[in-house]
Parts: sequence; structure tokens; C-alpha cells
Amino acid sequence: AQTVTQSQPEMSVQEAETVTLSCTYDTSESNYYLFWYKQPPSRQMILVIRQEAYKQQNATENRFSVNFQKAAKSFSLKISDSQLGDTAMYFCAFMIYNQGGKLIFGQGTELSVKP
Amino acid sequence: EAGVVQSPRYKIIEKKQPVAFWCNPISGHNTLYWYLQNLGQGPELLIRYENEEAVDDSQLPKDRFSAERLKGVDSTLKIQPAELGDSAVYLCASSLGGVGNRQFFGPGTRLTVL
Repeated sequence: AQTVTQSQPEMSVQEAETVTLSCTYDTSESNYYLFWYKQPPSRQMILVIRQEAYKQQNATENRFSVNFQKAAKSFSLKISDSQLGDTAMYFCAFMIYNQGGKLIFGQGTELSVKP
Repeated sequence: EAGVVQSPRYKIIEKKQPVAFWCNPISGHNTLYWYLQNLGQGPELLIRYENEEAVDDSQLPKDRFSAERLKGVDSTLKIQPAELGDSAVYLCASSLGGVGNRQFFGPGTRLTVL
């Protein structure tokens, strides 16, 4: 079975602090992509960061970075210098290379950034 | 550039009634997806189109759900008849062709079935 598990239903962080969201996944495939999406109350899913599984170097996008551990099937998201606008649901997802564009999502982590 | 457009944003219907959702993808995106998002859950793929062809509809409940993408641009997702369990958010996304390309999501339609 191909699954994504986000073990933290809710998290909170003080503004300007750093927070890490956890994600583990299960697949027998070796070629895939990993994603973190943000969904604010407006419901529009926004891509935060993307990682190709064949790349060992962890992806970074400004204040967002990942810790990709392929052997452990772990893909955590670190948000540095948290801002109030980071408050949202965060979904971890993966896409198997030979299964077209099907995204498999986790259950989400609700992040609250407090002033 | 304009994003993925969906309408309506909200829909409330009685059970057993039909309902339809509309999606206009980003111009030039030949791949279109419909996802179902239940409350407190991540989205799940219902159907994927490559141009006008449905290439993955394995998760679409075909007894009551149908979809079309005429001319390979706009798409409509229909439920007939709706059931209480269909209350959810229906998300549309689009992307350029090719594996791993970024999917751009619309704001979704929140359906409430009474």
C-alpha cells in the first residue's frame, strides 16, 4: 500500500521561531517525488516545496527546507523564522514516477503561528 | 497568469438531488485532476485527464459520479443522485504534461448535502 502519515495533527509555534513538521511514507517504488503543500483557510492548495527522490541534496525554498531520509522514508519540513501568514494546514504528499500525476496525501498538520 | 477557476465555491443541496461542479484550468495545462477532500483529511484523486481523455478514473464512483472534459479545456464533475456522505470539498487542479510537474489547485467547491 502507498500511504503517507503525518503524526502531528496540530502544532503551534511562536512568531519568528522554527518549527518542524513530520512526515513518513510507504512505497515499494524507488522513483518518486515528494511535496509539501500549504492549505490556508481559503482552501487553495499552494505548493511549498518539492523534492525528487533520486536527489540526495535536501530542497530549500527561502524559509522552508526539508530533511529527506530516503532509507527511513521520512520527509520532514522545517519552517524558519515563522510568520503569521504561515498559519495553515500543511499536507505532505508523494507522486510515483510511473503512475502519472497522482498525488497521495497525508492527513495534514494544522500549524498555528502565534504572535 | 490566471489560476485554476472553480465554481460554485459553495453548494447546498438536498439528498438525491443532482449537482455539478465546473473547473477552468490554467491556460495551456493539458492535464486536469479532480480531487475529493473530506473534512480533516488530505485530498484523494477522483479522476485525471490528459487533454480530453480520462486516463485514470479508477477512484471515481461511477454509479453516481461522472465527469467530462470537452475540447480538452474546461471540465465538469457531476453527482447524481447526491448522498449525505458526498458532503466534502471538491478540488480541481491542473498541470503541464509530464511526471512530477507542479499541480496548481483551484479554491475548491464545498458541497453540503442535507
